[in-house]
Amino acid sequence: NAGVMQNPRHLVRRRGQEARLRCSPMKGHSHVYWYRQLPEEGLKFMVYLQKENIIDESGMPKERFSAEFPKEGPSILRIQQVVRGDSAAYFCASSPTGNTDTQYFGPGTRLTVL
Amino acid sequence: GENVEQHPSTLSVQEGDSAVIKCTYSDSASNYFPWYKQELGKRPQLIIDIRSNVGEKKDQRIAVTLNKTAKHFSLHITETQPEDSAVYFCAASINTGTASKLTFGTGTRLQVTL
Repeated sequence: NAGVMQNPRHLVRRRGQEARLRCSPMKGHSHVYWYRQLPEEGLKFMVYLQKENIIDESGMPKERFSAEFPKEGPSILRIQQVVRGDSAAYFCASSPTGNTDTQYFGPGTRLTVL
Repeated sequence: GENVEQHPSTLSVQEGDSAVIKCTYSDSASNYFPWYKQELGKRPQLIIDIRSNVGEKKDQRIAVTLNKTAKHFSLHITETQPEDSAVYFCAASINTGTASKLTFGTGTRLQVTL
């Protein structure tokens, strides 16, 4: 699972700025999931993507959040006009297929909004 | 949607004793149940998983049991060691045929004392 890469590891933004979080899945994996972890809480599903497709975004806030997984390059989670409540650890996970296969997590991006 | 409850929230055991963490889930369609270990500031790491076609799985000092009728599953750690100290999360996944997002429990903080 060391193959899932996320950057940056730490990101500090002021209220109203944009945050871009990147995730490169393990080699051979074409499915990416994003989860958010608030301090002292469990992980909450946000979105599930395959190359160029959003499969399930039922956990994404309706406003300010978007995700993509282009044909080339990493998956990106974008948060516009950040607020203090967005401060959390954002983890991505990847799997070779989408149906109950094991998900391997990246090291996370810890977003702090000042 | 799926709901996963996890107990206890904290657990303290002496080195060498056993630890048991229990989870219940709400949706009988769930068919994949992984357990993750998360050390402070680190990524969740898969330690064991079980699918709905088996009732028990063991890997060295770690075992997981599944009772589909009662919709609960448990993690058992025997001969605990200080390095087992971490937060443990259970999760459940529903195979919809296209997506397999994980629904996590709220975590159990395990402390193994000398």
